[in-house]
Formats: sequence, C-alpha cells, structure tokens
Amino acid sequence: QVQLVQSGGEVKKPGASVKVSCKASGYTFTTYGISWVRQAPGQGLEWMGWVSGYNGNTNYAEKLQGRVTMTTDTSTSTAYMELRSLRSDDTAVYYCARVASLGAGTGYCYDSWGQGTLVTVSS
Amino acid sequence: EIVMTQSPATLSVSPGERATLSCRASQSVSTNLAWYQQKPGQGPRLLIYGASTRATGIPARFSGSGSGTEFTLTISSLQSEDFAVYYCQQYNNWPGTFGPGTKVDIK
Repeated sequence: QVQLVQSGGEVKKPGASVKVSCKASGYTFTTYGISWVRQAPGQGLEWMGWVSGYNGNTNYAEKLQGRVTMTTDTSTSTAYMELRSLRSDDTAVYYCARVASLGAGTGYCYDSWGQGTLVTVSS
Repeated sequence: EIVMTQSPATLSVSPGERATLSCRASQSVSTNLAWYQQKPGQGPRLLIYGASTRATGIPARFSGSGSGTEFTLTISSLQSEDFAVYYCQQYNNWPGTFGPGTKVDIK
C-alpha cells in the first residue's frame, strides 16, 4: 500500500532553516508529484508547493517564494522540503501528500498523506 | 483565488444519526471537489473526489453530492470513528484551495 513517512519533529530558532523529508513506498515514485501542505496550530490547510517525482520541476506558493525549496531523490524515493529564514508564524505541522492522477481540474487533489512533521520556531 | 466556505463550523451528532456537511465555492468548480477527514494527530484522508466518487476503501455510509458551487457530504449513520474534522477542497483551479473545515463531535 502507498505510504509516505516523514522525518521527526524539529525545534528551530527564528532565522534558521529546516529540512523535512518524506519517504515514499508502495508505488513508482517517478509517476506522481508530491505537494507540501502545512497546518498552523488550530488552523486550516495551506498549500506550500509541488515537486514532480519525475523530473524535479517545482512550483511554489507566492508567499513562500525565495524561502522554500522542494527537491526529490529518486534513488531513495524521497521528497524534501527546506524552509529558510524561519519566523514564529512558520510554526506548523508540515505534511507531504501524493498528488492523485484524476485527469480533471488544473489543481491538486491528494490521495495519500504523510503523518506530519511538527516544526516549532521559537527563541 | 477560489474561496471555499464550510458550514456549520461544528456539528454535534449522536452515534447512529445522519450528518450533513455543506461546502460552497466562490465560483464554479464543476465537480472538481474533494472531501477529506482528519483525526487528531493524523494527516488528512481522502474520502471523496469528483464531488461524489468514494476513494478506495471508504465505507458506503459516506456520500458526496453537488456541482458548480454547492456541495454536500453526508454520513448516513455516524460511527464512533467518524468523529473528526472534515475539509472540502476544490482542485478545479490551480493549485486548489481548502475550506476551513467542519468539526463533527459527539452530541
């Protein structure tokens, strides 16, 4: 079965960087894209960006441009999300999610999610 | 950006009862609408896509309907494991946007 297993929680100081991993199994990694979605405490779901499992192409949310980088390692079927210049409002649970192949719409629908990684930004 | 709204914010239901959750889009999203269930400490789980198609392994008590701007998720007979937060999401327009969620709790 499809599984996305994320790295463990992190505590960072303002201005630092964090890199979260998402290891995929149960499917051919290169045939699906991965999005990253975050959820601040008690808040809803915010799309951060997408990375292609096939060629590493990316697109990012405008508000995070310049601070976020998403990459993949096809040899280990792992996706990564790095966020730099962390601020207190980056405190959130970060999820990776596999983009479903529905052949409809231009947006992303997600058929499998990781368990989440809590990133806490505090001085 | 398409804005998604959900009502009610909280729905209190007794086990065995029916729950009806609503989702509205600020403009038409055709039937490119998904529903997710999220339990505490877990990632969301896809329940419904295409407004009415159940995802793999989702019980038949979950059903979705609607098109355009108005959508409904119905849980026909609530089980204990169904108490959770439910999000709708449009994927008609890039990159897709989520609603704020409806929390279904025990009455």
